[in-house]
Amino acid sequence: DAKTTQPNSMESNEEEPVHLPCNHSTISGTDYIHWYRQLPSQGPEYVIHGLTSNVNNRMASLAIAEDRKSSTLILHRATLRDAAVYYCIPTLQGGSEKLVFGKGTKLTVNP
Amino acid sequence: NAGVTQTPKFQVLKTGQSMTLQCAQDMNHEYMSWYRQDPGMGLRLIHYSVGAGITDQGEVPNGYNVSRSTTEDFPLRLLSAAPSQTSVYFCASSYLSGDRGRISYNSPLHFGNGTRLTVT
Repeated sequence: DAKTTQPNSMESNEEEPVHLPCNHSTISGTDYIHWYRQLPSQGPEYVIHGLTSNVNNRMASLAIAEDRKSSTLILHRATLRDAAVYYCIPTLQGGSEKLVFGKGTKLTVNP
Repeated sequence: NAGVTQTPKFQVLKTGQSMTLQCAQDMNHEYMSWYRQDPGMGLRLIHYSVGAGITDQGEVPNGYNVSRSTTEDFPLRLLSAAPSQTSVYFCASSYLSGDRGRISYNSPLHFGNGTRLTVT
């Protein structure tokens, strides 16, 4: 399984953009990058995923480096509700038996 | 559409007692799984299932049993609770990828809101 490295914690101010990095230098050419987040006292929820090109949805944007060794989850305007632990998870194109959740990045959003 | 429903939300057990954590999903997902989450340890997979009648072990299966008699339900049984099983338990479900019996890269995991278990 590809290994990922994320900062333990990050801080942002409300209504400012947040860039959450993930290093996945051992990723294979067919691994997708999934991001999940876990709000306090809740189960994780899916945020976004991508393979090579940048992806956008209503929650966030995902920027994947050209060499695919890293990616960045972008929250365009952080809100207090975005305070959560964010997980970056490689997923095999052929499918996985499980998703491996590391410790993620704890995002604090200041009012 | 309720998604993934876990009951109970909270439970306190004495050492040696047994109990079943319930998980139900209404999305017709083939794949279901149980994770436990402990402070500082992230989520660890206990057991998973790729369909009715099929279960397999994850990273930390000892002390837990599962069965999958229907597509909708995936209960987790603690046979003889121990303090080391104090944790938050999450159930998750997803579609599978074609005929490979694996979580599709294109189908997210849907999680319940967890059961907080304390064993004294």
